[in-house]
Amino acid sequence: AQTVTQSQPEMSVQEAETVTLSCTYDTSESNYYLFWYKQPPSRQMILVIRQEAYKQQNATENRFSVNFQKAAKSFSLKISDSQLGDTAMYFCAFMKHQGGSEKLVFGKGTKLTVNP
Amino acid sequence: NAGVTQTPKFQVLKTGQSMTLQCAQDMNHEYMSWYRQDPGMGLRLIHYSVGAGITDQGEVPNGYNVSRSTTEDFPLRLLSAAPSQTSVYFCASRNTGDTGELFFGEGSRLTVL
Repeated sequence: AQTVTQSQPEMSVQEAETVTLSCTYDTSESNYYLFWYKQPPSRQMILVIRQEAYKQQNATENRFSVNFQKAAKSFSLKISDSQLGDTAMYFCAFMKHQGGSEKLVFGKGTKLTVNP
Repeated sequence: NAGVTQTPKFQVLKTGQSMTLQCAQDMNHEYMSWYRQDPGMGLRLIHYSVGAGITDQGEVPNGYNVSRSTTEDFPLRLLSAAPSQTSVYFCASRNTGDTGELFFGEGSRLTVL
């Protein structure tokens, strides 16, 4: 079974600075997807960024980018120019690419606080 | 622009009571799922469905039942609530065969006394 590990339960950063959240995963699959979801205090789950394992280029969405190291099974999220609205729980997730029934497996999350 | 709608958003039950959490989506997604979120545990899959009439168990299915009679609806039933089922529950859906993004409801906070 696939597992996703987020080793930082809590992190904090000053507004406008850069922060990196760590995620590692364990799988024997070669084709899969990786995701970062954000959960602000409103509780809504929001997709931040997605990476397809067969793509070597790291995904980027505005201030959010990933460092995908397939051999090391690492998928970290970098948030640049942190804003107060980035304060949230961040979940790393994994899904095999193998038909329509595959399930999303989540890590335990990292609570990020952006300080003014 | 409804997306995934869950009801109720909050519920308090007594041990042994039964209830149903409702989930409906209007995006014609084949895949629907229920997760529970507990502090320090992330989100854990309870049950999922890949289409009407098809359901399967996830990581933590005990104490929960589901059915899928239509593409739109995927209710989660607690037949005899226990304090261990106190949690926040999320329904999520997606299209099968695409890039895997899950669309979530707003969550339902359930407290079992």
